[in-house]
Amino acid sequence: DAKTTQPNSMESNEEEPVHLPCNHSTISGTDYIHWYRQLPSQGPEYVIHGLTSNVNNRMASLAIAEDRKSSTLILHRATLRDAAVYYCILRQGSARQLTFGSGTQLTVLP
Amino acid sequence: DGGITQSPKYLFRKEGQNVTLSCEQNLNHDAMYWYRQDPGQGLRLIYYSQIVNDFQKGDIAEGYSVSREKKESFPLTVTSAQKNPTAFYLCASRRTGGYGYTFGSGTRLTVV
Repeated sequence: DAKTTQPNSMESNEEEPVHLPCNHSTISGTDYIHWYRQLPSQGPEYVIHGLTSNVNNRMASLAIAEDRKSSTLILHRATLRDAAVYYCILRQGSARQLTFGSGTQLTVLP
Repeated sequence: DGGITQSPKYLFRKEGQNVTLSCEQNLNHDAMYWYRQDPGQGLRLIYYSQIVNDFQKGDIAEGYSVSREKKESFPLTVTSAQKNPTAFYLCASRRTGGYGYTFGSGTRLTVV
């Protein structure tokens, strides 16, 4: 199974942009890159996903490297409510199950 | 509003007892999933179902059982064979052809 590698933790100041990196060097051509985030004692929340091109939505932007071996989730202006564990996930298999790693704990400083 | 309801939020079980966790969705999603999360860890897949009356084992199915008699419901039974059942259990669903998963708010199971 293709795996992802993320830093264990990152810090950001409130109202500044945050770039959360993810490495997935063994990604296959049909794997989509998903990002979810999880607040304490809650279920994960979908953030964004992409295949090859960069993607934007109201929550974040996803920048995907040309060789697809890495990607970056961009929060344009961090707020205290963005403090969470962020998971970078490759969607695999016919059932499209998600395989979670340990994620990046984002701390937002006021 | 549509969503996934997991109940109860907290559950205590004595060793040797079976316990069933409820997961109900009103999103009309075909696929449903059960994940387990241990402290400080990511989620691990227990079972998933793509259609009524059909389900497949995930990575850590031993000691668990599921049923999918209705589209809206995917209960998980934690049996006495599960050696370390204390964990946070999350249910999710996905529309066929859709990309985003919707998660419930979880059930925290503690064996006492």
